[in-house]
Amino acid sequence: AQKITQTQPGMFVQEKEAVTLDCTYDTSDPSYGLFWYKQPSSGEMIFLIYQGSYDQQNATEGRYSLNFQKARKSANLVISASQLGDSAMYFCAMREGPWNAGNMLTFGGGTRLMVKP
Amino acid sequence: EAGVAQSPRYKIIEKRQSVAFWCNPISGHATLYWYQQILGQGPKLLIQFQNNGVVDDSQLPKDRFSAERLKGVDSTLKIQPAKLEDSAVYLCASSFGTGLGTEAFFGQGTRLTVV
Repeated sequence: AQKITQTQPGMFVQEKEAVTLDCTYDTSDPSYGLFWYKQPSSGEMIFLIYQGSYDQQNATEGRYSLNFQKARKSANLVISASQLGDSAMYFCAMREGPWNAGNMLTFGGGTRLMVKP
Repeated sequence: EAGVAQSPRYKIIEKRQSVAFWCNPISGHATLYWYQQILGQGPKLLIQFQNNGVVDDSQLPKDRFSAERLKGVDSTLKIQPAKLEDSAVYLCASSFGTGLGTEAFFGQGTRLTVV
């Protein structure tokens, strides 16, 4: 079964508007961490934001915020004030398991975001 | 701080040939990952090392793929013999550890084309 599901293959957003990229996950472990990475056309993976399963507040990093709904097992990425440079692939990823037990980092299928001028 | 280094950047080989990729992680990072990313898909974990031991290789096609991390630093990933479906970008990443919040840092990848 898929552990990370990103249901939007592609998204368009107008420059300066906000956009939400969806991510749902599947785990029975109470301890897990959720990550978002950006992959521009050049290919490198760039870390954006992290949310721990026990974190009480939603994570924020500049224009990026994570809408974490634990009961729904969703961790959507919100990008505010989109810029042309935000056009890229975005991947949701998860680590699960006890602390420091060789926890693997598993990725979803990604969403391609295209920002229109 | 130097990032994760990978070489070569690009490789074209014929099917049934062999190929090897090299990765040098960030200094001090105990954990090293190899991912396969087929065009249009998310990265799929092939193997994860903790120092020079294998943590997980459940998705590594062991009949043709092998990986080693001698001395717990550099790593090589080998494919022998290659198939057309092995065409992909091979990403190496490293992290300080495997704590739940530990960020993985990625190299630029090796784009393999099998013809």
